[in-house]
Amino acid sequence: DAEITQSPRHKITETGRQVTLACHQTWNHNNMFWYRQDLGHGLRLIHYSYGVHDTNKGEVSDGYSVSRSNTEDLPLTLESAASSQTSVYFCASSEARGSSYNEQFFGPGTRLTVL
Amino acid sequence: AQKITQTQPGMFVQEKEAVTLDCTYDTSDPSYGLFWYKQPSSGEMIFLIYQGSYDQQNATEGRYSLNFQKARKSANLVISASQLGDSAMYFCAMRDVSDYKLSFGAGTTVTVRA
Repeated sequence: DAEITQSPRHKITETGRQVTLACHQTWNHNNMFWYRQDLGHGLRLIHYSYGVHDTNKGEVSDGYSVSRSNTEDLPLTLESAASSQTSVYFCASSEARGSSYNEQFFGPGTRLTVL
Repeated sequence: AQKITQTQPGMFVQEKEAVTLDCTYDTSDPSYGLFWYKQPSSGEMIFLIYQGSYDQQNATEGRYSLNFQKARKSANLVISASQLGDSAMYFCAMRDVSDYKLSFGAGTTVTVRA
C-alpha cells in the first residue's frame, strides 16, 4: 500500500543546531507540503513543492528550508534550531489535479523539541 | 488570502447525540474545495469529508455530513449518533482551485461523554 512516512518520529535538539526532518511518500504524488501544528493555530504551511526542483515558501517559512531532488522525498531543514520551532511537524502529499477535490495524505508527524 | 475560522475551541457531546462543528471561510475565488480532517489523540490526520463549491448537494460520508451554506460562507460538519471514538480534534480546511495548498482552521476539540 502507498504511504507517507516521516522520520524521526521524535527528536530533541539544542538551540543553534541544524536539524533535518525526513519525509518520504510512495504515492508518486507531485505535490508535497510541510506543516507545523501548534495549539491554537491549527496547521500552518511552512514550505511546499509541486514537483522535482520546485520549492515554495509558505506562511511560516523563516528559519526553514526544503529541497526536492526526486518525487518521493521532501526533507525539511531547520538551519539553526530555535525554541520557537518546538512543534509537531506534518508532511503531506497530494496529486496534481485540476479539480478542487484534492485530498492531502498526511504522514504520522514528527514531534520536535528544541532545548 | 484565505482564512478559515473555527470559533468553538472545545465541545462536549453525549454519546448517541449529534454535534455540529462550525466553520466559516473567506475567499474571493469562485471555485474552491472544503475539507474536514479528524485528529485523534494518537496524532494522525484522517480525512473525513469534502465539499466542492459548485456541488449542488451537501456532502455525506456515513455519520458525517457537511452543512454547506455558500452565501454565508459556512461549511459546518455534523456528526450524527456520536461514539466515544469520535473524541478528537477536528479541522476545517480549504483550497482554491488555482492552488493546491490547504488553509486550516484552528480546530475544535470534541469530547464524547458516555
